[in-house]
Amino acid sequence: GNSVTQMEGPVTLSEEAFLTINCTYTATGYPSLFWYVQYPGEGLQLLLKATKADDKGSNKGFEATYRKETTSFHLEKGSVQVSDSAVYFCALDPNTGNQFYFGTGTSLTVIP
Amino acid sequence: DTGVSQDPRHKITKRGQNVTFRCDPISEHNRLYWYRQTLGQGPEFLTYFQNEAQLEKSRLLSDRFSAERPKGSFSTLEIQRTEQGDSAMYLCASSTRGTSNTGELFFGEGSRLTVL
Repeated sequence: GNSVTQMEGPVTLSEEAFLTINCTYTATGYPSLFWYVQYPGEGLQLLLKATKADDKGSNKGFEATYRKETTSFHLEKGSVQVSDSAVYFCALDPNTGNQFYFGTGTSLTVIP
Repeated sequence: DTGVSQDPRHKITKRGQNVTFRCDPISEHNRLYWYRQTLGQGPEFLTYFQNEAQLEKSRLLSDRFSAERPKGSFSTLEIQRTEQGDSAMYLCASSTRGTSNTGELFFGEGSRLTVL
């Protein structure tokens, strides 16, 4: 079946620290992978995506590489800011027609 | 383009009452999804439409839940005889995905339901 397992939070970091949020997946076929972000009081927004193995998605200083051999799509940022405080969701589209599958989310708080 | 809009943003109701949520997707998007999100969890799939056709419903979805998308435009999600366990954020998303391409989901801000 299809599923996403995401690193549990909450995560608290100091400003300018390095961030990694782990995400692994199980899928049949050739999925596309996404990271969504939810800022306080707002809806989910796409942060980045990768549609095939070895693709790297990047946006706003965040990066994630689609690793088929380890079935992973870890989110990284070299230097976090207070404004990055949000909940991050890893998601999978199995490309078989229908729903997206989401992880449980990781709450990030960045302190000055 | 104003994005995906949902109404109402907040709904408080008593157990046993019916509630209806509306979603207006991005105008050119042919797919519309409903998800439910509870505190500390990721979005859980409920159902989706391609144009006006409802193509899939979650097997976990109670028959108290029904969704429509007349004319392939806006959609409504109705919950009949609400229960306290229905309290959640109801999310709508739309996309342009066709049969062969990957389309990201664009989410609305959600409709929060509280059942007393």
